[in-house]
Amino acid sequence: QQQVKQSPQSLIVQKGGIPIINCAYENTAFDYFPWYQQFPGKGPALLIAIRPDVSEKKEGRFTISFNKSAKQFSLHIMDSQPGDSATYFCAALANEKLTFGTGTRLTIIP
Amino acid sequence: NAGVTQTPKFRVLKTGQSMTLLCAQDMNHEYMYWYRQDPGMGLRLIHYSVGEGTTAKGEVPDGYNVSRLKKQNFLLGLESAAPSQTSVYFCASSDGYGANVLTFGAGSRLTVL
Repeated sequence: QQQVKQSPQSLIVQKGGIPIINCAYENTAFDYFPWYQQFPGKGPALLIAIRPDVSEKKEGRFTISFNKSAKQFSLHIMDSQPGDSATYFCAALANEKLTFGTGTRLTIIP
Repeated sequence: NAGVTQTPKFRVLKTGQSMTLLCAQDMNHEYMYWYRQDPGMGLRLIHYSVGEGTTAKGEVPDGYNVSRLKKQNFLLGLESAAPSQTSVYFCASSDGYGANVLTFGAGSRLTVL
């Protein structure tokens, strides 16, 4: 039972393009939605996060859009660069525990 | 600043053998977590701890045990390893205000033959 559904599984975008990764959830107890970035051979690292009382959050080239009524949230990467190539995980927090999506392997081609 | 350190980084076991993964954090964090990462399945929570001397089950606890005898250490044990436990294991910690910001270790790759 996957509580946080993430898509697509993989994504290839040209440099400068805007990759979009989507996540959906069912559990209304989730109250914090972070995104983690993972490079090969490393542990995941927090990239950006949002709470359900706002619809959008920007940090540099990264933006989270949040739709509480649809129980969906997404990550947008503006002006993508080859260095953004990594695996991205969405997550949702409830009761001190983070539940992760299945991950999206993003490749930015020059 | 070491952050979260996991040992060992790699290990190969035979079915039925036992082993312990050690996680150490130097940030004085209250909460610690063990996740496993498998292709196409993301990160799944095995066990976690909200403070020294406490442990609780996560999503996939079967076949694993944990202990948190010291605040800075969180041990993950496999009593009788099975091939299904072949995975990359990640330890993480957070500062006690919930799992808002997890700091992960670099991972431990375990292969069970």
